[in-house]
Amino acid sequence: AQKITQTQPGMFVQEKEAVTLDCTYDTSDQSYGLFWYKQPSSGEMIFLIYQGSYDEQNATEGRYSLNFQKARKSANLVISASQLGDSAMYFCAMREGRGNYQLIWGAGTKLIIKP
Amino acid sequence: DAGVTQSPTHLIKTRGQQVTLRCSPKSGHDTVSWYQQALGQGPQFIFQYYEEEERQRGNFPDRFSGHQFPNYSSELNVNALLLGDSALYLCASSFVLGSHYGYTFGSGTRLTVV
Repeated sequence: AQKITQTQPGMFVQEKEAVTLDCTYDTSDQSYGLFWYKQPSSGEMIFLIYQGSYDEQNATEGRYSLNFQKARKSANLVISASQLGDSAMYFCAMREGRGNYQLIWGAGTKLIIKP
Repeated sequence: DAGVTQSPTHLIKTRGQQVTLRCSPKSGHDTVSWYQQALGQGPQFIFQYYEEEERQRGNFPDRFSGHQFPNYSSELNVNALLLGDSALYLCASSFVLGSHYGYTFGSGTRLTVV
């Protein structure tokens, strides 16, 4: 079974609109962390935002926010006021449990911002 | 402040050859992880090094090996290259984020096996 599922292979969004990228996860651990990364065509993975499983508040970082719904096991990324430079691949990733150091990744969503 | 640096940026090798990729972690980071990202897919964890030891390994064959040096830099070695080893290889160094680790990535090495 997929641990991280990103159901949107690609999205087109008009500049300045908000966009939501979906991510659902599967784990039996109580302690875990969820990450969102942006990967432009250059290849570098750029860290955007992090949500710990015990964090009571949804994470926010500038124009990025994470809509964390623990019971539904979803961790959607919301980008407000999208910009042309937001065009990239976006990956959701999870680190499970304690003593586990690997990130498990989804297949990604390609976001294209239209002017 | 230099981030994670990887070298070389691009590499072309012939099937059956051996390759070494290099990574310098961000200043202050002592842990290095390696990931393989095939075209159109998410990254796959290869292994992580901490205190010069392999701390955790993903589902990769023994052809993939690594090393971490006292200055925390790391190498990824792949022997007997296969066409399927063609991918972007990403190095990440770790930092503490609350009770969890966060990861800073380099720009990767694009390996093409012909």
